[in-house]
Amino acid sequence: AQSVTQPDIHITVSEGASLELRCNYSYGATPYLFWYVQSPGQGLQLLLKYFSGDTLVQGIKGFEAEFKRSQSSFNLRKPSVHWSDAAEYFCAVSSNFGNEKLTFGTGTRLTIIP
Amino acid sequence: EPEVTQTPSHQVTQMGQEVILRCVPISNHLYFYWYRQILGQKVEFLVSFYNNEISEKSEIFDDQFSVERPDGSNFTLKIRSTKLEDSAMYFCASRGTPAEQYFGPGTRLTVT
Repeated sequence: AQSVTQPDIHITVSEGASLELRCNYSYGATPYLFWYVQSPGQGLQLLLKYFSGDTLVQGIKGFEAEFKRSQSSFNLRKPSVHWSDAAEYFCAVSSNFGNEKLTFGTGTRLTIIP
Repeated sequence: EPEVTQTPSHQVTQMGQEVILRCVPISNHLYFYWYRQILGQKVEFLVSFYNNEISEKSEIFDDQFSVERPDGSNFTLKIRSTKLEDSAMYFCASRGTPAEQYFGPGTRLTVT
């Protein structure tokens, strides 16, 4: 069964600082990987996705993520955070066949301090 | 840009009552999903729907739950007899190909 681990429940960074959110997955084959962001009281917005090919993927809002098969990781990065990046971030995995349901991690809450 | 819509945004119901949550997926998408998020917890898969039938359901999706695509645009989730523990945010999602799922804004269900 597929699973996702986000080891950091809460991260606080200063505005303008760099950010890395960790995500490890468990899946028997090459998965599809996603990062979603959820602002308070809002739905889930897709930041970026990895299906195949280049292991460094670019997303919206200046985010990027790197797929590392050897480490079963898909960490999210941003070189300089903005106050508007404060939100909950969810990593998710799906199979690359069938109904492709998403399995989410428990999320990382990002707080930005001035 | 096309989007998934959900109604109502908030539903309050009494325990034992039936509720229907409605979703309008993106029009050319073929795969539809319901997920739920209990307050403070992660998003959990409930059910997937393709070609007018359930393709997969989780252990949460018991006999009290059902889904339907009654016409060409709506996708509904029915809970026949709500329990307190059904209180959660329910998200509808749809996808075309490839595997990118688009989520609606959610319906907050409160069971009292």
